[in-house]
Amino acid sequence: GESVGLHLPTLSVQEGDNSIINCAYSNSASDYFIWYKQESGKGPQFIIDIRSNMDKRQGQRVTVLLNKTVKHLSLQIAATQPGDSAVYFCAENRRQAGTALIFGKGTTLSVSS
Amino acid sequence: AAGVIQSPRHLIKEKRETATLKCYPIPRHDTVYWYQQGPGQDPQFLISFYEKMQSDKGSIPDRFSAQQFSDYHSELNMSSLELGDSALYFCASSPSGGDSPLHFGNGTRLTVT
Repeated sequence: GESVGLHLPTLSVQEGDNSIINCAYSNSASDYFIWYKQESGKGPQFIIDIRSNMDKRQGQRVTVLLNKTVKHLSLQIAATQPGDSAVYFCAENRRQAGTALIFGKGTTLSVSS
Repeated sequence: AAGVIQSPRHLIKEKRETATLKCYPIPRHDTVYWYQQGPGQDPQFLISFYEKMQSDKGSIPDRFSAQQFSDYHSELNMSSLELGDSALYFCASSPSGGDSPLHFGNGTRLTVT
C-alpha cells in the first residue's frame, strides 16, 4: 500500500526548491505539536506549532500540516535557503502544564546552492 | 530577548565523579524541562518541574536528580558518572499552561572519560 509521510533521516534539496519533512507521531492523546530546527552545537529552535483542532498553519516560509487520522505531521519550507540546513525535529505533547514534549526522529536537511 | 541560560557550556568529568548542571529559565517561565541528547539522537526527556514541584518524569537514571528553586532556576545533579552519560544536556523553559512551545538553551556538553 502507499506509505504516506514516510520519515526520511536525510533530505537534500537545491536552493530555491520547496522542502517537505515528514513525521509520524505516536500518541493519539497528543494535542499539541511543534517543529524545531537544530543547528550543530545549539539547542532546538522553535519554528512553528499547531494544535489538534487545526489541520494547517502557516508561518513565514513554513507551513505545518496535521493529519490526525493517520497521526502524521509535515513541515513545508518554501524557497529553501542554505541557512535552512539543519536537523528538524517534530515534537508532541498533551497540553498539560509540565508534561513532557516528546521528540520524533530528526531529519537532516541539506541545502546546496 | 532573554533566552534560557545553561552553565557550564562544557564539562569534562571522570567515571564515578559527580556533576551539577545549571539552568536559568526565561523570566516569568515557571516550568523547566531537562533533556539528554546523544550523538545523532533525538532529545530524550529526563524530568520536568512546574512551580518547583516535579511535574513529569522520563528516562532519568536513579543516579540523577534535579530540583527547581524558588527563583525558578533548576539544577541537574549527576552522580557515579558513566561513560554512557556523555551527551548534550538541554534545559528548556515555558510559561505554565502546557500549550506554549518550549524554549531551549544551548546545552551543556558533558564528556565522561
